[in-house]
Amino acid sequence: GAVVSQHPSRVICKSGTSVKIECRSLDFQATTMFWYRQFPKQSLMLMATSNEGSKATYEQGVEKDKFLINHASLTLSTLTVTSAHPEDSSFYICSARGEGWPQHFGDGTRLSIL
Amino acid sequence: GEDVEQSLFLSVREGDSSVINCTYTDSSSTYLYWYKQEPGAGLQLLTYIFSNMDMKQDQRLTVLLNKKDKHLSLRIADTQTGDSAIYFCAESRDGQNFVFGPGTRLSVLP
Repeated sequence: GAVVSQHPSRVICKSGTSVKIECRSLDFQATTMFWYRQFPKQSLMLMATSNEGSKATYEQGVEKDKFLINHASLTLSTLTVTSAHPEDSSFYICSARGEGWPQHFGDGTRLSIL
Repeated sequence: GEDVEQSLFLSVREGDSSVINCTYTDSSSTYLYWYKQEPGAGLQLLTYIFSNMDMKQDQRLTVLLNKKDKHLSLRIADTQTGDSAIYFCAESRDGQNFVFGPGTRLSVLP
């Protein structure tokens, strides 16, 4: 079946650091990729939707300058958390959708900012 | 906006059947999904159903849809300890934009 690879799986870094998370579709072309944030014991909150070659569409309340999304190819999207602070600590999950559906999810990245 | 509700916790004994319920508000939902999330992991698609279907069975999983009541259920037969996880119900009109429920934490007791 469709596989989405997300790296890294865990990041611990100091406040002020920028962190890049990669999301790759391994066996299909992902025309659309999604980035979610999940707080402990809560459901997924959609942050942004990105289509290959165009700017990401951010959900209300998500800072574009804080969470930079690049979807430069049909198999790769990146989320960069710029100048991360402790309140940005969370579980970030990407998903991808190609010609078929539904969305297939990566294994998530646990981000801890000290 | 659209809303998806689930009970937050369910405990069952190993070998029993588990039934996880979900209600949604969007009458235009076309696709309904069940995802499983194990600790520290992403979401794994378990099964899905089109809104014009009443039931779908896949090995130990049975999905029932009552479109009139906007009620979806997932039955897991012969529940095993490996089934312990959080189960998310999700609905979508277009297969692209999803609305997720809060998740049901299933605990399987020996």
